[in-house]
Amino acid sequence: KAGVTQTPRYLIKTRGQQVTLSCSPISGHRSVSWYQQTPGQGLQFLFEYFSETQRNKGNFPGRFSGRQFSNSRSEMNVSTLELGDSALYLCASKLTGSSYEQYFGPGTRLTVT
Amino acid sequence: TQLLEQSPQFLSIQEGENLTVYCNSSSVFSSLQWYRQEPGEGPVLLVTVVTGGEVKKLKRLTFQFGDARKDSSLHITAAQPGDTGLYLCAGVWDSGYSTLTFGKGTMLLVSP
Repeated sequence: KAGVTQTPRYLIKTRGQQVTLSCSPISGHRSVSWYQQTPGQGLQFLFEYFSETQRNKGNFPGRFSGRQFSNSRSEMNVSTLELGDSALYLCASKLTGSSYEQYFGPGTRLTVT
Repeated sequence: TQLLEQSPQFLSIQEGENLTVYCNSSSVFSSLQWYRQEPGEGPVLLVTVVTGGEVKKLKRLTFQFGDARKDSSLHITAAQPGDTGLYLCAGVWDSGYSTLTFGKGTMLLVSP
């Protein structure tokens, strides 16, 4: 069974631009979560989607948004990029919203210049 | 805000040595997971523990969940260079639809 895939793997953007990242979960998994990882803050939860509905949201500004499609694929969008948004963005999927185990993709490395 | 403290933050050892890393919280976990992350990759799930006092083994790795479900440890026997990576613990404090909260990790470097 294929794992979680994320595209693109690497991205360089300029401050003020917007960016969209994509995540395809493991087949059959209906819950997708997004995380931001930085050296200083570690892994921080952004939001979780289940059956196309956002179920949980972390403490991030409204510039960070996401959505989930009927096939469980998910996208996250960051508008008006800031230098501090440079990070590894990780997507994780799990079977249901209450499942314990989640499986991570390789991440998208975003650099904002 | 529930915090999850990991220690040590960094560990550099020689091949063949044993080591233990710790994960602590002041709150009771519903479940706790350990992940290993290699540079440029996403975390890979190693184990999930849910019962107080539970011990799980994965080859040379032994995971223990505290009796009170507030802490956990990961012990590696005879470490190998392939064990090098960032070890992350992550906890869920409520059952159901709560999210995972991650510690900042222990960076392990095993030299040949």
